[in-house]
Amino acid sequence: QSVLTQPPSVSGAPGQRVTISCTGSSSNIGAGYGVQWYQQVPGTAPKLLIYGNTNRPSGVPDRFSGSKSGTSASLAITGLQAEDEADYYCQSYDRSLSEVFGGGTKLTVL
Amino acid sequence: QVQLQESGPGLVKPSQTLSLTCTVSGGSVSSGSSYWSWIRQPAGRGLEWIGRIYNRESTRYNPSLKSRVTISVDTSKNQFSLNLNSVTAADTAVYYCARAGTGGDGYYFDYWGRGTLVTVSS
Repeated sequence: QSVLTQPPSVSGAPGQRVTISCTGSSSNIGAGYGVQWYQQVPGTAPKLLIYGNTNRPSGVPDRFSGSKSGTSASLAITGLQAEDEADYYCQSYDRSLSEVFGGGTKLTVL
Repeated sequence: QVQLQESGPGLVKPSQTLSLTCTVSGGSVSSGSSYWSWIRQPAGRGLEWIGRIYNRESTRYNPSLKSRVTISVDTSKNQFSLNLNSVTAADTAVYYCARAGTGGDGYYFDYWGRGTLVTVSS
């Protein structure tokens, strides 16, 4: 049972927009700590997509965007491409547990 | 560009100690702005943060693993290491080393090693 809750799977057709939610609590996201998002293609290491809720590292396409409200955060992917098919994880800081991850969401491009 | 590479035994017997080393290039383990971390991922499952070391000797561990984990730094080799004792099959996972930076009200893992599979089995 992960401290941050994500849907197990989402899907979308090429070109569409999908969102992935990440729900926490007053001990982590709701306490004001930033949310990060990672993309993991099976068999490879995770890659940082978003940090500090909304910031994209250099090289990450602007098709990826993050938002946060209250105890939840979301990752949005627009103009869905076949190469976006991967697992996505949210991460934040928890007052009691330190770094925590969501359980991961598998994105399928139909 | 920071690069990290994990090394260590791929097979550990139950009750023994799992020991891994992460070699850092393009950055310094002595850097006060970097938090050197270990993260693991059992097959088919999610990511679990193990712990981190910063400022050469300050450490923070996952409370669920704290009694069994030690992370240390060797500045002469620009490496940091993980020791996890009293392992069981539940510790079988891909182990990643990663660098964490700070900003945006939290820590973010911006550089990762490729990961190394450690199997706990007799």
